[in-house]
Amino acid sequence: EPEVTQTPSHQVTQMGQEVILRCVPISNHLYFYWYRQILGQKVEFLVSFYNNEISEKSEIFDDQFSVERPDGSNFTLKIRSTKLEDSAMYFCASSANGGRETQYFGPGTRLLVL
Amino acid sequence: AQRVTQPEKLLSVFKGAPVELKCNYSYSGSPELFWYVQYSRQRLQLLLRHISRESIKGFTADLNKGETSFHLKKPFAQEEDSAMYYCALGQGGSEKLVFGKGTKLTVNP
Repeated sequence: EPEVTQTPSHQVTQMGQEVILRCVPISNHLYFYWYRQILGQKVEFLVSFYNNEISEKSEIFDDQFSVERPDGSNFTLKIRSTKLEDSAMYFCASSANGGRETQYFGPGTRLLVL
Repeated sequence: AQRVTQPEKLLSVFKGAPVELKCNYSYSGSPELFWYVQYSRQRLQLLLRHISRESIKGFTADLNKGETSFHLKKPFAQEEDSAMYYCALGQGGSEKLVFGKGTKLTVNP
């Protein structure tokens, strides 16, 4: 069964550094998402992406964040200048048709900002 | 604002006992409710969604719009049901899922 994959599984970085988190969505899916979960807190929506543009974003998703689909398979989340409070588990998800369709999640990337 | 509340952070039952994980939501429109499960060191995976009205792994959940609830139930818990369970809300006109904080279910032998 096809799955969403994410790399790396863990990332440690220094405050102020840029990080890029990578995701490969399920191949025939058209909608892509990023969520994050700070330790002990809820899974929170960051952004959704469709047809090569952001379709929705949360207030968390400020100018420090950007997303890109650089080729036909990868979907990336870039954090331009990391802060301590960016430390979290970042989940990528994809869905076939968006809207209320089921979102399928990747295993997550644990980001630690020192 | 849309909100999902899972009042129990931890729930512990014995094998064979009934289990109910509570979920309440706050949303003025027509909701789409999901239960996701996360087994130890695994990804979030869909357990069931209200629109499909299925029973998966013996679990069921009924949407009660009057009580704004979507509680997850299983009549006889198994040890392999031990996991983190998240209730999530989808809304019309939005791509995002709103998650509850999750309930950690432990089924003891």
